[in-house]
Amino acid sequence: RKEVEQDPGPFNVPEGATVAFNCTYSNSASQSFFWYRQDCRKEPKLLMSVYSSGNEDGRFTAQLNRASQYISLLIRDSKLSDSATYLCVVNWGGGGADGLTFGKGTHLIIQP
Amino acid sequence: EAQVTQNPRYLITVTGKKLTVTCSQNMNHEYMSWYRQDPGLGLRQIYYSMNVEVTDKGDVPEGYKVSRKEKRNFPLILESPSPNQTSLYFCASSPAGAANEKLFFGSGTQLSVL
Repeated sequence: RKEVEQDPGPFNVPEGATVAFNCTYSNSASQSFFWYRQDCRKEPKLLMSVYSSGNEDGRFTAQLNRASQYISLLIRDSKLSDSATYLCVVNWGGGGADGLTFGKGTHLIIQP
Repeated sequence: EAQVTQNPRYLITVTGKKLTVTCSQNMNHEYMSWYRQDPGLGLRQIYYSMNVEVTDKGDVPEGYKVSRKEKRNFPLILESPSPNQTSLYFCASSPAGAANEKLFFGSGTQLSVL
């Protein structure tokens, strides 16, 4: 069974802090990985793809650990505007039920 | 502006009354998909389409139909809606398949079936 697991939170974090959360996936044949951000009742938007070598985009760093089958997202110097739900997405290739699987999301609240 | 357009944004209906949620993209994307999102269950795929006239079931297709007669449009049809189809629905598209490609989502349709 292909599953993507995330801690739902909420994570309450003071502004300016560094926060990190993980996402585990069940299928070692997974091909590609993404983090999406979703604001309340809005559409998900791609935050960043996750590459094998790890990648950074400003305050955000994503890493992939294939051996342990998890991906991580690190947010440095968190801002109030980072409050959102972060969705981990894993693609096993192809569309549909054998392809893209979304985690249920981790809810992050940045507090002033 | 490149976008995925869903309509309506909100819809309240009664059990059994057929409805269609439209989805249109202006990016010439081959891949389109429908998801529903429910509290505690996350996003679940209903149907997807790899190209015109090619559609396939996702994880939760029961009670839904789709069609892909044109590349840009991918309507979601509920022939006889039931209360358990009350949900937030998202249409999405991507250039070619979903692997290694960014998904573009519509702004969502909140459906309530009474």
